[in-house]
Amino acid sequence: DAGVIQSPRHEVTEMGQEVTLRCKPISGHDYLFWYRQTMMRGLELLIYFNNNVPIDDSGMPEDRFSAKMPNASFSTLKIQPSEPRDSAVYFCASSPGQAISYNSPLHFGNGTRLTVT
Amino acid sequence: AQSVAQPEDQVNVAEGNPLTVKCTYSVSGNPYLFWYVQYPNRGLQFLLKYITGDNLVKGSYGFEAEFNKSQTSFHLKKPSALVSDSALYFCAVRDRPGKLIFGTGTRLQVFP
Repeated sequence: DAGVIQSPRHEVTEMGQEVTLRCKPISGHDYLFWYRQTMMRGLELLIYFNNNVPIDDSGMPEDRFSAKMPNASFSTLKIQPSEPRDSAVYFCASSPGQAISYNSPLHFGNGTRLTVT
Repeated sequence: AQSVAQPEDQVNVAEGNPLTVKCTYSVSGNPYLFWYVQYPNRGLQFLLKYITGDNLVKGSYGFEAEFNKSQTSFHLKKPSALVSDSALYFCAVRDRPGKLIFGTGTRLQVFP
């Protein structure tokens, strides 16, 4: 298994531009998570999906952020318009489904380092 | 709400010495606790978990963790540290099916 795959690894953009981050979870995993990591705030859960349905988006900072999961093998996190304070490392993670979800660890991708100038 | 606390921002230890990275938890109900490690420019990697059973949990790379219910702690330990263990370590607690809440992280520095 290739693990959770995120693209791009690095993204540099100018303030005001639209940014789209992509994630392919591990096949068969029913949960998908988007986290953001910064020095100031540490790891923050932005949103997570179960069977492609958003379950909790209370961590999404504001309306400029949106996430979709059109199918079981793909998710996007979009920021529009981007701002310098959005600069962070964004991680996608997945885990198996409901039956064993309390026991199951999350599997993380290597992240996308976003820099907004 | 479930939460974990990592009281130390950084832990320094000499290679070959035992190491401990501290974590305390606050949960309602049964605790489901995890440790993760993050190397530079990488995602978090699962080390070990406590669900139920033995209070001493063994995990990857020679790490283990001791669950202590009376002290609400779940400290990560290793008998003999390696320089390659230097990384960022996160404690986490399961909040609900699927969802993990992470601590603020502890940077472990192992000196040769």
